Amino acid sequence: KAGVTQTPRYLIKTRGQQVTLSCSPISGHRSVSWYQQTPGQGLQFLFEYFSETQRNKGNFPGRFSGRQFSNSRSEMNVSTLELGDSALYLCASSYTGTSSYEQYFGPGTRLTVT
Amino acid sequence: SQQGEEDPQALSIQEGENATMNCSYKTSINNLQWYRQNSGRGLVHLILIRSNEREKHSGRLRVTLDTSKKSSSLLITASRAADTASYFCATTSGTYKYIFGTGTRLKVLA
Repeated sequence: KAGVTQTPRYLIKTRGQQVTLSCSPISGHRSVSWYQQTPGQGLQFLFEYFSETQRNKGNFPGRFSGRQFSNSRSEMNVSTLELGDSALYLCASSYTGTSSYEQYFGPGTRLTVT
Repeated sequence: SQQGEEDPQALSIQEGENATMNCSYKTSINNLQWYRQNSGRGLVHLILIRSNEREKHSGRLRVTLDTSKKSSSLLITASRAADTASYFCATTSGTYKYIFGTGTRLKVLA
């Protein structure tokens, strides 16, 4: 089975711009979660989607949004970028998304905001 | 805020030695998982221990869980240079999100 893929792998944006990141989960996985990883804050949960519905959300401002398509692929969008949004964005997929199942992570998208 | 706090933050050992890292958490959990991350890449799942389990083994990995102390430990035996990575614990507590700890950076010297 192919692993979780994320595109693009690297991205440089300017403050005020917006960005869209994409995640393709493992075939058959219906849950996709997004995380932001920074040296200062560590790994922080953004949101989780299951069958096109957002099931859970972390404590991030409304500038961060996401969606999931019928094929389980997911996108996250960050509008009005700030310098502090520079981070590694990771997505992870799991079979059902229940807490009993392990998550499979993609390689991440490294976003740099200048 | 982080649910889990790993200890130590960084650990440096010689190849062949054992490495132990600890994780403490704050609320009741369904399960606790350990992940490894190499050089800012994606995380790799290592092992899951359920809240009603006390110890679990997988190859050179041994995980313990003490729910009364809200803590877990990960032991890597006979460490190899390839084990050099950051290790994170993650907890779930009834909702569909995982809360990760701050991580332990392990360096295994050849």
